[in-house]
Amino acid sequence: QMQLQESGPGLVKPSETLSLTCTVSGGSINNAYWSWLRQAPGKGLECIGYIYSGGDTNYNPSLASRITISIDTSKSHFSLRLSSVTAADTAVYYCAKYDSTGFFPYWGQGTLVSVNS
Amino acid sequence: DIQMTQSPSSLSAAVGDSVTITCRASQSISGYLSWYQQKPGKAPKVLIHTASSLYSGVPGRFSGSGSGTDFTLTISSMQPEDFATYFCQQSYSTPLTFGGGTRVEI
Repeated sequence: QMQLQESGPGLVKPSETLSLTCTVSGGSINNAYWSWLRQAPGKGLECIGYIYSGGDTNYNPSLASRITISIDTSKSHFSLRLSSVTAADTAVYYCAKYDSTGFFPYWGQGTLVSVNS
Repeated sequence: DIQMTQSPSSLSAAVGDSVTITCRASQSISGYLSWYQQKPGKAPKVLIHTASSLYSGVPGRFSGSGSGTDFTLTISSMQPEDFATYFCQQSYSTPLTFGGGTRVEI
């Protein structure tokens, strides 16, 4: 069974860069799409963007100027960087596999990132 | 962006009830719609993809229908473990977007 696990700081200061990594196990990271999503407290889900194992990316335009998603297939992980964070970026961040037919079959457990000085 | 609107935002049901949740897209998305269940503190789990295809391992009491702009998720006979929040998600175009959620409670 494929498993995904997010890792990274749970607290980031305003204006700094949020960095998270998602490690994939129980399956290959190759020939697949991998995504980052977030959910602000008590709110709905937002897709931040996704990356293909070959490196092509698709970012949400509302965040595109601040985000970078990268992948290291040799380490079976992919990463998110979100710059210039504000309190509005406080959320549970999820990594997920994105199936090419349009849905997310596998998710990490989620990690809460708070933006606070 | 395609806006996804769910209704109702919350509902009360009893074990054994049939429950229907509606999701409307701001433009046609053909059949590119999925449904998820989320319980407090947990990641969402996919129930239905491509509008009506039951994901592997999901109980048959869950079903999805619709195309174009209007979609429904039906739970034919609520079980105790089904009390949760449900989200729809479109994959017709990027950015991928979700509905605001429907909380199903006792």
